[in-house]
Amino acid sequence: DAGVTQSPTHLIKTRGQHVTLRCSPISGHKSVSWYQQVLGQGPQFIFQYYEKEERGRGNFPDRFSARQFPNYSSELNVNALLLGDSALYLCASSPLAGGYNEQFFGPGTRLTVL
Amino acid sequence: GENVEQHPSTLSVQEGDSAVIKCTYSDSASNYFPWYKQELGKGPQLIIDIRSNVGEKKDQRIAVTLNKTAKHFSLHITETQPEDSAVYFCAASDSNSGYALNFGKGTSLLVTP
Repeated sequence: DAGVTQSPTHLIKTRGQHVTLRCSPISGHKSVSWYQQVLGQGPQFIFQYYEKEERGRGNFPDRFSARQFPNYSSELNVNALLLGDSALYLCASSPLAGGYNEQFFGPGTRLTVL
Repeated sequence: GENVEQHPSTLSVQEGDSAVIKCTYSDSASNYFPWYKQELGKGPQLIIDIRSNVGEKKDQRIAVTLNKTAKHFSLHITETQPEDSAVYFCAASDSNSGYALNFGKGTSLLVTP
């Protein structure tokens, strides 16, 4: 079975630009969560979506937004990029909503902001 | 919010020895505690998890113990192998948001032949 897929794998942007990251969950999973992982740190929660609705939001500015599509895939959008947005962005797939359900991570998208 | 502390930050063991990684959490309402293994250039891989109604769980060479009273949980890896070398993260469910996992800062495990 295919795991969580994310695209692109790497991305280089300049300050002030906008970026869109994409995620496809495991087949049958209806929940997608987004995490930011800065080098040397654990992942930090950004959003969780379930059945196309935002169910949870972490402590990130409004420049970060996301959505989930009818096929349960998801996009993470970041506007007005800052140098500090450079990180590995991880998508996690889960059968159900909630942080107390098993979450399976994709390989991530490495974003570099210059 | 939930604060998860993880120790040690680095751990070096010889092949065949055991490795133990410890985490503490602050939110007594947390009820789910997964452990992830992250290899270089890859996403975190779920290796074992435990829920608050269980004190211990084992899967082959890997075990996790949970002490709810003390609010700490530990990962035990026995008979370590070089392929166990990776960064390991503990996490705890966030009862405030209900949707987040709060992660520790990770333990870099090196198993030397």
